[in-house]
Formats: sequence, structure tokens, C-alpha cells
Amino acid sequence: GENVEQHPSTLSVQEGDSAVIKCTYSDSASNYFPWYKQELGKRPQLIIDIRSNVGEKKDQRIAVTLNKTAKHFSLHITETQPEDSAVYFCAATPFSGGYNKLIFGAGTRLAVHP
Amino acid sequence: DAGITQSPRHKVTETGTPVTLRCHQTENHRYMYWYRQDPGHGLRLIHYSYGVKDTDKGEVSDGYSVSRSKTEDFLLTLESATSSQTSVYFCAISDGTGELFFGEGSRLTVL
Repeated sequence: GENVEQHPSTLSVQEGDSAVIKCTYSDSASNYFPWYKQELGKRPQLIIDIRSNVGEKKDQRIAVTLNKTAKHFSLHITETQPEDSAVYFCAATPFSGGYNKLIFGAGTRLAVHP
Repeated sequence: DAGITQSPRHKVTETGTPVTLRCHQTENHRYMYWYRQDPGHGLRLIHYSYGVKDTDKGEVSDGYSVSRSKTEDFLLTLESATSSQTSVYFCAISDGTGELFFGEGSRLTVL
């Protein structure tokens, strides 16, 4: 089955700096790679996702890159703000519509200091 | 937020007792999931459902059972709770396009 590893487990940056979180996956059949953000005491929420036919996707200050050959994908947050402080989870799964058995990484706790 | 509610939100129980957590949705989504969240492990899939009476096991299904008799309800049962099942449990729903919508979570403590 799929196995997802996520690094680093904690990340501390100054406001305005960039943050990068990296994930690797094991199942070459995986083709859907979402990122979820979980603020303290809240539910996880999707912030961006990428599918295997795309190498990079951007949404304002966040971007995700995918390298299928190396089986890794990364989340990039630019111009970080205190409200970006949260736990971020990457996930991977083979997905062709319908149900998907998302396998999550262990999470990265991002702290943005003013 | 998607119409998904979990109950109870907090529960303390003793080892060996049965526990049932309920997930209720008003979105009419076909797919429902139960995850547990533990420090250092992220979110791990327990069971999922792809329709009424259609369920299957996830990564960590031992000690758990599920039932889905109606589209809107997905029940997670711990047949005999153990301390290792102390966790935060999240239900999630999906319409099949990829995104999971999570409930607010149920914190279970097994003493």
C-alpha cells in the first residue's frame, strides 16, 4: 500500500519568509496529491491539490510542485503571515473518481513569528 | 462548511466498554470515511464507505467496525475500547471529486 513521509515535522520562520514542506510517496500508481491545513483545535481543510498530469500549481501565496519520477511533492508558502501558523498534511492516493483512500503524512507544524 | 456533524464531541470511557461514534451529513455525499488523529501519525484511515451498506477497511481497522444503513449516517463502533484507542476521531465526506470535508472531530479518552 501507499506510504507517505513528510519533512520537516516542525518549521519555524519569520513573517515574510518562505516555507517549504516536502513529502515522498511509495506507490507509483498514486496520481492525486492534496495538502490540508489544520489550525489549532480545528478540522483539516483542503488548501491545494495537484494531479499527476501537472507539474506545478499555484494559488496566490501557495504553490505545490510534483516530481513523479522521484516520487516527491512539495508545498511552498511565500510571504508567510502569522495566520499561516498551523499543521500541514500532505497526502497521496491512486484516484480515478469515486472514493479515494487518502494516505496522509505525519504532518508539519509551521510557526510564523511576527 | 459542509453539513457534517459528529457526536459525541467528547467522551471518556473505561477499558472494555463498547463505544459508538456517529457521523451525520446533510450533503447527500456518497463517500464517507473515519480517520483517527494521533501525534506523530497524522491522519490514519480506519474504515470508509462507498454507499449504503458498502464499507471497507482502511489502514488501522483492527478493533473497529462500521455501519451505514442510511446515506446520511456512518457509525464507528469500538467493540471493546482499549487505551490505545484514545484519540481524536474525524469523519469525512466526499462527493467523489477528490476533496474530503472533515467533521469537527470527536475526542475519545479510554481510561
